[in-house]
Amino acid sequence: GENVEQHPSTLSVQEGDSAVIKCTYSDSASNYFPWYKQELGKRPQLIIDIRSNVGEKKDQRIAVTLNKTAKHFSLHITETQPEDSAVYFCAAKMNRDDKIIFGKGTRLHILP
Amino acid sequence: SAVISQKPSRDICQRGTSLTIQCQVDSQVTMMFWYRQQPGQSLTLIATANQGSEATYESGFVIDKFPISRPNLTFSTLTVSNMSPEDSSIYLCSVRQGAGAQGYTFGSGTRLTVV
Repeated sequence: GENVEQHPSTLSVQEGDSAVIKCTYSDSASNYFPWYKQELGKRPQLIIDIRSNVGEKKDQRIAVTLNKTAKHFSLHITETQPEDSAVYFCAAKMNRDDKIIFGKGTRLHILP
Repeated sequence: SAVISQKPSRDICQRGTSLTIQCQVDSQVTMMFWYRQQPGQSLTLIATANQGSEATYESGFVIDKFPISRPNLTFSTLTVSNMSPEDSSIYLCSVRQGAGAQGYTFGSGTRLTVV
């Protein structure tokens, strides 16, 4: 089955700097890669996603890159703000079923 | 996008008892998913709830412990049976977000404490 590795587990960056979170997946049949943000006590919220036929996707300060050959994908947050502090989860979905498998999460701290 | 109502939002239960969690979606969805999120941890898929057939369970989860119902395309329940303190966790349902969309939406979660 699919396995998703995520690192780092914790990341602290100065406000205004960039943050990068990296994930790898095991199943080459995976074709969809969402990223979720979870604030304390709240449900995970989809912030950006990418399909396997695309190498990069950007939405304002957030971007995701995908390297299918290496089976890894990354989340990039630029010009970080205090409200970016949260736990971020990467995930992967295989083509043959609908289930999403999550990485272990990255706790992002934005330092003032 | 689909709107999910999940209840109860939290409960404190005695060990050995059972709790049923409900998820209601405002539109018809083919698949619903049940996840567990232990404190400070990631989301672990328990099972996929299929309408009209038995749920499909992930490794480590069994129907006797987590029976699931899916009577129609807008509703599902997850029961946590014969609870022990180790079952204390947040349980979330999830559905695919909109027809044809790849994104998945989550319910607000049920925070379960077993004492």
